[in-house]
Amino acid sequence: DGGITQSPKYLFRKEGQNVTLSCEQNLNHDAMYWYRQDPGQGLRLIYYSQIVNDFQKGDIAEGYSVSREKKESFPLTVTSAQKNPTAFYLCASSLQGVNYGYTFGSGTRLTVV
Amino acid sequence: AQSVTQPDIHITVSEGASLELRCNYSYGATPYLFWYVQSPGQGLQLLLKYFSGDTLVQGIKGFEAEFKRSQSSFNLRKPSVHWSDAAEYFCAVGEPGQAGTALIFGKGTTLSVSS
Repeated sequence: DGGITQSPKYLFRKEGQNVTLSCEQNLNHDAMYWYRQDPGQGLRLIYYSQIVNDFQKGDIAEGYSVSREKKESFPLTVTSAQKNPTAFYLCASSLQGVNYGYTFGSGTRLTVV
Repeated sequence: AQSVTQPDIHITVSEGASLELRCNYSYGATPYLFWYVQSPGQGLQLLLKYFSGDTLVQGIKGFEAEFKRSQSSFNLRKPSVHWSDAAEYFCAVGEPGQAGTALIFGKGTTLSVSS
């Protein structure tokens, strides 16, 4: 079955460490997205990519970095510059941008300890 | 700039009662509109979407939504709520024909179902 896989489901990070969240899709989707979800805040866009080797900053990109070396993969790195990284992170993909709606992964919950 | 407002943070409905979740958007033209549902600790699932045409759209799980241009609204409805409908619901808006943009989400409405 086609889908979008996020790993790990739970992740713990010490302060000052970088950590990378994985997102892989086998839907042959062109576009991929990273959102951050905090209670009462809805989903806020971190980064998105429409094609391989190209990506754009979203509303809250500071302290995060991404790469898009393959169509199937869009990893997100949470750097030590992100001051409040504890959150639920959601990856999504779509065909040709927003027109068809997104398919979401099941999320990664990151906790700073 | 686009924006989405979901005025109700939390709604409680009795099982079997009808449901309406409100969504208002701000956009210069008719946007693409979506409703998603999220169970705790999970990703989001698409319930329905509106691009153009018939303003009443049917979705999965017995949900429907009506687009009202004059009110800039896209409210989600269900005639009879089941306990399994308890979840968080998100309205989202996208720019038509703009492949280089991303969806904007509202802050969500949490639905509780009482027996």
